[in-house]
Amino acid sequence: QSALTQPASVSGSPGQSITISCTGTNYDVGGYNYVSWYQQYPGKAPKLMIYEISHRPSGISNRFSGSKSGNTASLTISGLQAEDEGDYYCSSYTSSGIRWMFGGGTRLTVL
Amino acid sequence: QLQLRESGPGLVKPSETLSLTCSVSGGSISSSRYYWGWVRQPPGKGLEWIGSIYYSGHTDNNPSLESRVSMSVDTSHNQFSLRLSPVTAADTAVYYCARLGTADFDPWGQGILVTVSS
Repeated sequence: QSALTQPASVSGSPGQSITISCTGTNYDVGGYNYVSWYQQYPGKAPKLMIYEISHRPSGISNRFSGSKSGNTASLTISGLQAEDEGDYYCSSYTSSGIRWMFGGGTRLTVL
Repeated sequence: QLQLRESGPGLVKPSETLSLTCSVSGGSISSSRYYWGWVRQPPGKGLEWIGSIYYSGHTDNNPSLESRVSMSVDTSHNQFSLRLSPVTAADTAVYYCARLGTADFDPWGQGILVTVSS
């Protein structure tokens, strides 16, 4: 089963906004509001940033927001900061065999 | 604050069994609200869900690994475990345990690197 599709890399300058997409199918992203986003620094464990499409856990900056349109979910980071640099993964529930899928990951570079 | 910590051997020989335990502190593994999961990440690659277990012992497994995976839960010690057998070099990865809520993995353990090599 293929992973959810994310761009391999995105970049932006401090203060700018960037958006990372996560494309799936009607069996996962498009069929359920069960998409979450994770931030991972090198050598560290992933950290939950967004759950159920657009909800932020306690302690997560409101610079992070999530949305969904059709089979594509998106993570937007506004007011980009150097500390946002890292890898970002989306995840979705899927009804097509495997229960939980991850995207291939996106490397965010802050220029 | 809920914390998870993986433990187990960092080196496993090909064709043998990988065994890991996740110890949970700051909360009960017997909560009816959550499953408890395993996710792995090969070096330089992305995340892969391995499976999840409920405190009752009910499990969900990744079909691609199902024939080699077994999981168990020990509520008396507030921990759950993963066994993967037989292993090959392709199973070399950082293995994470995490709490699985309605639709998200949070929090995660720090991860443990398991290398499969003779």
